Amino acid sequence: DVKVTQSSRYLVKRTGEKVFLECVQDMDHENMFWYRQDPGLGLRLIYFSYDVKMKEKGDIPEGYSVSREKKERFSLILESASTNQTSMYLCASSQRGVTEAFFGQGTRLTVV
Amino acid sequence: GEDVEQSLFLSVREGDSSVINCTYTDSSSTYLYWYKQEPGAGLQLLTYIFSNMDMKQDQRLTVLLNKKDKHLSLRIADTQTGDSAIYFCAEKENSGYALNFGKGTSLLVTP
Repeated sequence: DVKVTQSSRYLVKRTGEKVFLECVQDMDHENMFWYRQDPGLGLRLIYFSYDVKMKEKGDIPEGYSVSREKKERFSLILESASTNQTSMYLCASSQRGVTEAFFGQGTRLTVV
Repeated sequence: GEDVEQSLFLSVREGDSSVINCTYTDSSSTYLYWYKQEPGAGLQLLTYIFSNMDMKQDQRLTVLLNKKDKHLSLRIADTQTGDSAIYFCAEKENSGYALNFGKGTSLLVTP
């Protein structure tokens, strides 16, 4: 069965902390994505990666960075967390040239 | 990215048909998707349609595409309470990597 796993369902962090959100997929997919979901705004793309060590900015990359050292793992990094980064974060993966993207269960991050 | 627009809320009675509408602006969209998100969960792909098709049916789900008007709809027949969820319309170019999502339509099914 296809699986995208995010390391935490819920996280509470303090303003200014460095935060790591981890995502692992077991489908040998080339593409991986980080979205954030906010009420009334839908899903917005933060960053994506189409191969190991490759990354591309999405629509809202400010305040975030990513790391893809291994094909199966894609990390989202909040260098200095702020309260406006309180959100639901969704990781997804897809195979090159294939239409469907598979999503993880989401991480609800609260920054206090 | 280009805009994908959906109405935010829809309420229907159990047993009725639901129709969720979506419009998009990118004429180079090749794939159009409907995803479902149940409370507290990630997104699950319901169905997708290629831009060279105008209809796709899968059990209770019917997708209609009007490419000229850039309008996509999802019809759910015999809607059940378990269909209550947020439904996202999304599009992707053939050469693109990421899906571009609408804001989602919250469907409430009442008994």
